[in-house]
Amino acid sequence: DVKVTQSSRYLVKRTGEKVFLECVQDMDHENMFWYRQDPGLGLRLIYFSYDVKMKEKGDIPEGYSVSREKKERFSLILESASTNQTSMYLCASRRTSGSSSSGTDTQYFGPGTRLTVL
Amino acid sequence: AQSVTQLDSQVPVFEEAPVELRCNYSSSVSVYLFWYVQYPNQGLQLLLKYLSGSTLVKGINGFEAEFNKSQTSFHLRKPSVHISDTAEYFCAVSYSGGYQKVTFGTGTKLQVIP
Repeated sequence: DVKVTQSSRYLVKRTGEKVFLECVQDMDHENMFWYRQDPGLGLRLIYFSYDVKMKEKGDIPEGYSVSREKKERFSLILESASTNQTSMYLCASRRTSGSSSSGTDTQYFGPGTRLTVL
Repeated sequence: AQSVTQLDSQVPVFEEAPVELRCNYSSSVSVYLFWYVQYPNQGLQLLLKYLSGSTLVKGINGFEAEFNKSQTSFHLRKPSVHISDTAEYFCAVSYSGGYQKVTFGTGTKLQVIP
């Protein structure tokens, strides 16, 4: 059974704190993603990584950074948390497919971390 | 650039009635299309996906979707809904293969009324 786990389900931090959100997958997937989910806005991609130590900016990278030192782990870092970063954060992983019919482009999501910044 | 539009933010429907959740996409190249479901306080899970081949795709829990290239649509349907189908549904699009990012719609909340 495939699994993506996130370090916390709920997190409360103060403005200005450094925040680490951890994500681990056990499927040996090359690709990992961080999204934030806000009502009415759906999921917006913050960063993704297609290999160890590789990262690409998504649609809303400002105020965030990421780290991928091992294939199974992808960390999201808020260098100085602000109240507008209060949100649900979702991690996902996906295999790199070799052909259009390989059926390997499903994203597998973790349960999410609800972060509140006060 | 790819984009996804879910026209309805909320859809109320009575139990055992049929439902259609609408999704339109824009992309100039071949795409993969997905529907994901998110139950309360959970992450997203895949309902179904279209990669190629037959335009009618069947998924879990009795859902199906039809890929219509001329109308750039991928609407989700179920002939008879249950209370347990109450959830938020997301349509998503990506380019075929590789590490290309997935673009999600804004979601449709399906509320099944007993």
